[in-house]
Amino acid sequence: ETGVTQTPRHLVMGMTNKKSLKCEQHLGHNAMYWYKQSAKKPLELMFVYNFKEQTENNSVPSRFSPECPNSSHLFLHLHTLQPEDSALYLCASSRNPGGETQYFGPGTRLLVL
Amino acid sequence: KQEVTQIPAALSVPEGENLVLNCSFTDSAIYNLQWFRQDPGKGLTSLLLIQSSQREQTSGRLNASLDKSSGRSTLYIAASQPGDSATYLCAVEIKAAGNKLTFGGGTRVLVKP
Repeated sequence: ETGVTQTPRHLVMGMTNKKSLKCEQHLGHNAMYWYKQSAKKPLELMFVYNFKEQTENNSVPSRFSPECPNSSHLFLHLHTLQPEDSALYLCASSRNPGGETQYFGPGTRLLVL
Repeated sequence: KQEVTQIPAALSVPEGENLVLNCSFTDSAIYNLQWFRQDPGKGLTSLLLIQSSQREQTSGRLNASLDKSSGRSTLYIAASQPGDSATYLCAVEIKAAGNKLTFGGGTRVLVKP
């Protein structure tokens, strides 16, 4: 148990659906991250938030829309996804951005049909 | 662009043998290097973080070394146990704004009883 929770753990959606992934951290951290882990590819950073402000968008398509209402919660809104977006989506947090250990949630396994 | 490589991609050893996992990176201007463990279908667990000014870090049976000039890190796991079976990922944090980790593809380890 790392102190970072993600819901749902599994999600199946059609290409026309809209869904959201939720991440919550109970560690009092200020920075939160979304990562994508596809089969046979290294883990890729998607977004970074520091004190609720987005500081990094790693050229992610607009069909992925992050939201960070406060330092403890992070959402990833999904719409009109493609089958190649099927992956494990991991959330992480750290006390501050820069030089600190990141703590990861268990991930949401997403399947786009 | 920073690239991180882990060789071998998979490793199988008998219980009790020492494990040696390699990680190489192309840009030596790193802030730190981190080793993670990932169990199947789950999130990442941080094992060790080595700052760029350090040469090694130790935690129990784990020892990680860092040679920045040659762009290499090695994770040693002494007296391996079946419970050490997992995928081991290394990641480097680059000297840039934000906490951007670049991950290797991982080494999948199987320790046979």
